[in-house]
Parts: sequence; structure tokens; C-alpha cells
Amino acid sequence: DTAVSQTPKYLVTQMGNDKSIKCEQNLGHDTMYWYKQDSKKFLKIMFSYNNKELIINETVPNRFSPKSPDKAHLNLHINSLELGDSAVYFCASSQERVAGGLGETQYFGPGTRLLVL
Amino acid sequence: KQEVTQIPAALSVPEGENLVLNCSFTDSAIYNLQWFRQDPGKGLTSLLLIQSSQREQTSGRLNASLDKSSGRSTLYIAASQPGDSATYLCAVRPRGGKLIFGQGTELSVKP
Repeated sequence: DTAVSQTPKYLVTQMGNDKSIKCEQNLGHDTMYWYKQDSKKFLKIMFSYNNKELIINETVPNRFSPKSPDKAHLNLHINSLELGDSAVYFCASSQERVAGGLGETQYFGPGTRLLVL
Repeated sequence: KQEVTQIPAALSVPEGENLVLNCSFTDSAIYNLQWFRQDPGKGLTSLLLIQSSQREQTSGRLNASLDKSSGRSTLYIAASQPGDSATYLCAVRPRGGKLIFGQGTELSVKP
């Protein structure tokens, strides 16, 4: 009954490889996000999707490509991994159509710890 | 450009103390402000969300206040417990959907 789930939890890979991280939410939310937390613990948004449409795309290298097959899933594919991509990646979701209250609270997944060697 | 600052970066208190964590932001045009808790190696847990029209929210031993005009929020934790030890993150949401996070306050409550 996990609300926001991510797989894998840990990912260790070599430079230059391509990898994907999957995210699923069972909260019925219409908006999903990807965040990156660097080694200094600073969290920064990467992408946001609302009903499968991209609405926020921060200045992220185009090696990162999000894919939303439906509004419950937002996967992150990373091409040609670099050392600097090592970080914890968090998926989150919220219900943006509900005005006020806790409707816009963002719920986070447990994170995927990516280490590029 | 919106910037969020949290002070102090780290705080250690004995069990039972009441404490206040501070968050400041540079642009008062926010939609809401959210406090999260992050345990080591874990994801974020939402604690409280304050809409821009509200001044405070309470949940159990936690009370968060918001003064939009001065660009400040505080998270008050009453009767702290060792289980409260975690990193507390403040995030503001400007109109447009993306949360902007502070760097967090690492809290340690000693038994």
C-alpha cells in the first residue's frame, strides 16, 4: 500500500551507461515530479508532469529524459551517465486540481541512490 | 529569484526541550510553504503545509507559522524526543508548481 514507490532503491553503474529509474504512485494524483538531491543534501526539482504532459523542465542536460506512460507513472531515463550524476533521485506526486488544504501536499518516494563509477 | 535559507544548519538539544527551526525566503509571492522531515537514507515525509492565506498550522507537537510579508516561517517542536532526530526541510512554492527547498536543519535530540 505504498503511496509513491521507486525502483531500484540503489543503482551502481559505470560511466557511459544508460539507466532508468521507475516511479509509480497509487494516490490518484495528477501531477508527478523528479527531484535530485546532491551530496550536500540540496534538493532541486528536475521535471514536473501533469496528466502525462511536461509542465516544468529545469535546466537539466538532455541526457535526462522523463517518460510518463500514464498519470500514475513517471520514469526517468538517463543516457551516457557521468560521475556528476551521482546523487539521490526522488519522485513525488501531488493533486494539483484540488484547491487549498492538503490537496497540494507533495508526497515523496523513498529515493533512488545512484552511484556512477 | 527565490532563495530559501534555513538556520541553524544543525541543532543538538536534550530530550524534552521545546525548539524552533527557522526558514526565510526572499520573494513573498508564494502559493504555499511546506515543512518536511527526512530521516537518514530515507525519503521526505510531509509534516505541515501552510497556504499563503494562512498564518499557522498545527499537527500534534508541531506548529508551523508563516509571515509572508517578512519572508519567514518557523517550525516549533514541543517536548522534543529522540525520535524527532532528522533533517527538517522547508520548501516554498511560487505560483508555477515547483517547490524550492532550503538546505535543511539537521536536528539531534539527545536522550
